[in-house]
Amino acid sequence: DGGITQSPKYLFRKEGQNVTLSCEQNLNHDAMYWYRQDPGQGLRLIYYSQIVNDFQKGDIAEGYSVSREKKESFPLTVTSAQKNPTAFYLCASSIPEQVKAFFGQGTRLTVV
Amino acid sequence: RKEVEQDPGPFNVPEGATVAFNCTYSNSASQSFFWYRQDCRKEPKLLMSVYSSGNEDGRFTAQLNRASQYISLLIRDSKLSDSATYLCVEKNRDDKIIFGKGTRLHILP
Repeated sequence: DGGITQSPKYLFRKEGQNVTLSCEQNLNHDAMYWYRQDPGQGLRLIYYSQIVNDFQKGDIAEGYSVSREKKESFPLTVTSAQKNPTAFYLCASSIPEQVKAFFGQGTRLTVV
Repeated sequence: RKEVEQDPGPFNVPEGATVAFNCTYSNSASQSFFWYRQDCRKEPKLLMSVYSSGNEDGRFTAQLNRASQYISLLIRDSKLSDSATYLCVEKNRDDKIIFGKGTRLHILP
């Protein structure tokens, strides 16, 4: 079945460590997105990529990095520079002609 | 001005009532709008797209008003299962997808 997969579902890390969240899609979508959601808050855009080897900063890119070496993969690295990394992270994908965005099930990151 | 703004609620509505949400957007050039539903601790799921002509899907009606730059969602005969957070979403010409903060809806028995 086609879809978008985020792993792991729950992730715990010590403060000061970088951590990379995985996002893979087999939908052949060009565009991919990373969002962060804090309790009781909406989704805030971290980074997005419209095509392989290209990506743009969203509204809260500081402390994060991404890469888009393959169409199906858009990993997000939460660096030690991110002051409040504990959050729910959602990855999505879409194609320009379609209005719908497909979401992964999310990764809950807890930094202790 | 934020790109997409919504009343966060919560809206506490008795079962069977009709409830309406509005959402305003700042980019007059934006092309595509949607309503997503998000249940607690889950990923958002598309509820419906929004067209200028208005569109209806069962008990749900969505409308886009370009002149006033707002979109609306109407839920008729509300059910307990409609309790969720409803997210207003804009997709611009650069494929950037922007979410509102969401409106929380609680349907009361």
